[in-house]
Amino acid sequence: QKEVEQDPGPLSVPEGAIVSLNCTYSNSAFQYFMWYRQYSRKGPELLMYTYSSGNKEDGRFTAQVDKSSKYISLFIRDSQPSDSATYLCAMSYPGSARQLTFGSGTQLTVLP
Amino acid sequence: DAGVTQSPTHLIKTRGQQVTLRCSPKSGHDTVSWYQQALGQGPQFIFQYYEEEERQRGNFPDRFSGHQFPNYSSELNVNALLLGDSALYLCASSLAMQNTEAFFGQGTRLTVV
Repeated sequence: QKEVEQDPGPLSVPEGAIVSLNCTYSNSAFQYFMWYRQYSRKGPELLMYTYSSGNKEDGRFTAQVDKSSKYISLFIRDSQPSDSATYLCAMSYPGSARQLTFGSGTQLTVLP
Repeated sequence: DAGVTQSPTHLIKTRGQQVTLRCSPKSGHDTVSWYQQALGQGPQFIFQYYEEEERQRGNFPDRFSGHQFPNYSSELNVNALLLGDSALYLCASSLAMQNTEAFFGQGTRLTVV
């Protein structure tokens, strides 16, 4: 079993829809949670960074962490065609100096 | 701020050859990590360098080695290349003593033929 599980999709939604992306994990030591966006053949771009449980909002993006359920989510409101990309969740634990464990990524397409 | 820069962007090598990839971290960062990303997969941690020493290592064979220089830049070396080494190699930089995010470069796409 992988430490971090992520539904690979692909996920296709109409423009303006609310998108929900999710990851589950098994290692309770994870304390730092990140979402990266990766366009085709490019490096991952950091979208959201959260520590421990709770919510964090940045513009159209909201990240949620539920440590009791070992479940994290990324919500995208008013989705745009430019949001079409692969979304990667990543996690690390204290003392790991940002050694990240990634999910396999969810491929999202937002249709005009 | 140039961010994390990697070179070259693309590389084609023959099976059995050796390759060196390079990374310059984001200004102010002192830690460099390398990841391998196979097509359709998430990045997999290879190893991490801090203070010119390998600090942590993922589940990769000894054919994968690295180096960090006094200016914090880093190299990834892969010997005896296999077809399965074809992937996007990503460098990430961070600051060791703070709970900061890791920032990635654009990657080097290695194709082994």
